[in-house]
Amino acid sequence: DTEVTQTPKHLVMGMTNKKSLKCEQHMGHRAMYWYKQKAKKPPELMFVYSYEKLSINESVPSRFSPECPNSSLLNLHLHALQPEDSALYLCASSRQGFTEAFFGQGTRLTVV
Amino acid sequence: GENVEQHPSTLSVQEGDSAVIKCTYSDSASNYFPWYKQELGKRPQLIIDIRSNVGEKKDQRIAVTLNKTAKHFSLHITETQPEDSAVYFCAASTSGTYKYIFGTGTRLKVLA
Repeated sequence: DTEVTQTPKHLVMGMTNKKSLKCEQHMGHRAMYWYKQKAKKPPELMFVYSYEKLSINESVPSRFSPECPNSSLLNLHLHALQPEDSALYLCASSRQGFTEAFFGQGTRLTVV
Repeated sequence: GENVEQHPSTLSVQEGDSAVIKCTYSDSASNYFPWYKQELGKRPQLIIDIRSNVGEKKDQRIAVTLNKTAKHFSLHITETQPEDSAVYFCAASTSGTYKYIFGTGTRLKVLA
């Protein structure tokens, strides 16, 4: 199984809502990532979990809150988002930091 | 900080011709260089990668070359086909870190 699965695929939320994005992998990878991708731009790193511990936070606003409940799951909790946060949110995993990163299909988030 | 420059931003070629995309990285400690293909509305997928102890790697119609001295690596696609049309991202990563620094992307169009 070389899949990274993300749910939901699409999400529309108001600026006062609280929602969560979920990511799951069963490849035994110990590094998991959240990226944000705007149209026609490269993926932009948000967070990295290594062995279930947050190892990188790229100065992301606190309205984005990551969580890694176990080695297979990664969540991104969203609260009080702004319209400019609308983007494709990609989860990825890798065996180590300098090996192939496998991406999920993404959650297309629209903040209204 | 670390960055990866990628050129050109768009590239149009006739079917059957070759395409070359070039990237330059700034961190001399970078030692892993993947190339990702992203079709419209889909996830980035690895097409080829190279490590710093290798100068060239080929996989059928795709090849990557690395010049560590110049901190430069390139993607070569031969006998291009319409299904090669996509956005291609180069990236650089360093062992001991979990950061993939992505280039800005190249939109490749293969004209039938």
